[in-house]
Amino acid sequence: RKEVEQDPGPFNVPEGATVAFNCTYSNSASQSFFWYRQDCRKEPKLLMSVYSSGNEDGRFTAQLNRASQYISLLIRDSKLSDSATYLCVVNIAHSGGGADGLTFGKGTHLIIQP
Amino acid sequence: DGGITQSPKYLFRKEGQNVTLSCEQNLNHDAMYWYRQDPGQGLRLIYYSQIVNDFQKGDIAEGYSVSREKKESFPLTVTSAQKNPTAFYLCASSIWGPSSYNEQFFGPGTRLTVL
Repeated sequence: RKEVEQDPGPFNVPEGATVAFNCTYSNSASQSFFWYRQDCRKEPKLLMSVYSSGNEDGRFTAQLNRASQYISLLIRDSKLSDSATYLCVVNIAHSGGGADGLTFGKGTHLIIQP
Repeated sequence: DGGITQSPKYLFRKEGQNVTLSCEQNLNHDAMYWYRQDPGQGLRLIYYSQIVNDFQKGDIAEGYSVSREKKESFPLTVTSAQKNPTAFYLCASSIWGPSSYNEQFFGPGTRLTVL
């Protein structure tokens, strides 16, 4: 059964702090992983893909732990503009791209407080 | 500017009526998708299409229908058979290929409310 689990939060964090949240997935056949950001009443937008070696983009770091089947997102020096819902997305890719393999978590709500 | 457009942004429908949501993209993407999002829930796949004149059911296709007559367009019809149609509907598109890391680009969404 496809399943992606996230702590819904909300995470209330002071501006400038570091915040981290995880996402667990149940299907060991999962092949690719993403973090999307969704602002209130808007569409999701790709924040970063998560590769096996981990990756960093400015203040954001994503890591993948295949053995324990979780991915993480770390945000350093948080800004007010980081307030959003962060969606964990897992792709169980089939041949040709696997459109039916994309599973979205329910999201983690982050609130950065001044 | 390249992107995905959805219309209308807000839609109100009386119970028992069919309604069609528009989705157009000029990104030259082969694959297009329709998702539904309910409050506090993740996105759920309704239908997807990998190529013109072909489409596949997603996880929650009952009560919905689609067509893919043009590469750029993938309209979704919410029929009266859909038991709980009030939701936020998101259309997306992507390159179709062997990589599992093809990003999906989303349109701004349509909020459908059944009165």
